[in-house]
Amino acid sequence: GQNIDQPTEMTATEGAIVQINCTYQTSGFNGLFWYQQHAGEAPTFLSYNVLDGLEEKGRFSSFLSRSKGYSYLLLKELQMKDSASYLCAALDSNYQLIWGAGTKLIIKP
Amino acid sequence: GAVVSQHPSWVICKSGTSVKIECRSLDFQATTMFWYRQFPKQSLMLMATSNEGSKATYEQGVEKDKFLINHASLTLSTLTVTSAHPEDSSFYICSARAQSDTEAFFGQGTRLTVV
Repeated sequence: GQNIDQPTEMTATEGAIVQINCTYQTSGFNGLFWYQQHAGEAPTFLSYNVLDGLEEKGRFSSFLSRSKGYSYLLLKELQMKDSASYLCAALDSNYQLIWGAGTKLIIKP
Repeated sequence: GAVVSQHPSWVICKSGTSVKIECRSLDFQATTMFWYRQFPKQSLMLMATSNEGSKATYEQGVEKDKFLINHASLTLSTLTVTSAHPEDSSFYICSARAQSDTEAFFGQGTRLTVV
């Protein structure tokens, strides 16, 4: 079956760095997305990785290892507004999005 | 990024009535649109996938006669919740993508309350 695993909840301190991991098992693979979702709002796109390696975009970076079925989202210089759920989603061989349940990130002062 | 507009943002309706939710891609042609439902503190649940000009593909357990999806053009898809009941109260979100290997952009979501 197809499956996405990510931690349910994480807590970090303002100004610190946090890494949210995601492992996936899909029928084929055509890329991995990270989305941010604040409570009561729709998800917003953060990143897309299809090749191995790290992609940096400001305070956020995303890493992919296709051989390990593994990705992480790295958030630096955490701000209170980063408190949100972070959703990992993989594109399978049919280009269908397989969603993780999301990681709720709590930022403490 | 591309803009997807979803309307209305929130709606309250009486039990037994129908509600239509629109999802528009404003600056790109969406070959595929997705409809999700999200209950409080739960993950996105895909309801159906629609490709322009063809019938929607519904996920297991989603009643196609209750949740009518129309994707008549490359910029508009609609979800109609027919004979709504209180248990249909939820956050409904659409997303659209131009091509199969590009990111999907989300609408703002519609909070439906059935009383």
